[in-house]
Amino acid sequence: GQQVMQIPQYQHVQEGEDFTTYCNSSTTLSNIQWYKQRPGGHPVFLIQLVKSGEVKKQKRLTFQFGEAKKNSSLHITATQTTDVGTYFCAGSTGANNLFFGTGTRLTVIP
Amino acid sequence: DVKVTQSSRYLVKRTGEKVFLECVQDMDHENMFWYRQDPGLGLRLIYFSYDVKMKEKGDIPEGYSVSREKKERFSLILESASTNQTSMYLCASSLGGQPTYEQYFGPGTRLTVT
Repeated sequence: GQQVMQIPQYQHVQEGEDFTTYCNSSTTLSNIQWYKQRPGGHPVFLIQLVKSGEVKKQKRLTFQFGEAKKNSSLHITATQTTDVGTYFCAGSTGANNLFFGTGTRLTVIP
Repeated sequence: DVKVTQSSRYLVKRTGEKVFLECVQDMDHENMFWYRQDPGLGLRLIYFSYDVKMKEKGDIPEGYSVSREKKERFSLILESASTNQTSMYLCASSLGGQPTYEQYFGPGTRLTVT
């Protein structure tokens, strides 16, 4: 079935360092979404990418969708302690459901 | 403000019991979803519904059933709870149609089966 692989599973960074998480799909996606889950919380939508090669920015966060629409990345510049949490990508092939990646848990050391 | 609520934050049940998890959304969303979240496995889709009385199996439907009698309410049923169903259960809703709209999640129910 549909699979979305996400790496790394864990990442520890010093505050101020950059962070990147990567998603790869076994099939071409119609769009990809990113969610953030704070410790003890529930996933919250961050952004959606639809176009091949699309790049979107939200302050220190940069999201990319690959040219082949099979991979995506989230890059955080100069991490802060408020960035801690688990980041999930979720891909869609056009139906009404999403296939979530396994998530990357980010720890930021002050 | 968008809201998805779940009936319990924490639940402890015994093996073999029938368990009902309720989810209600107030956004008039067509789609509703049930996921379970386990460490290292991410969110796995159990069932989803794109309309009242409609349901589709997700990746791990075995041991679960669902009910959607009203648009705003989506119930997950564990017919006979087992210890391997101990997990965090998350409900979500979204608008229908394409491209897939963002999902709004409830706070989750942490179920322990002893």
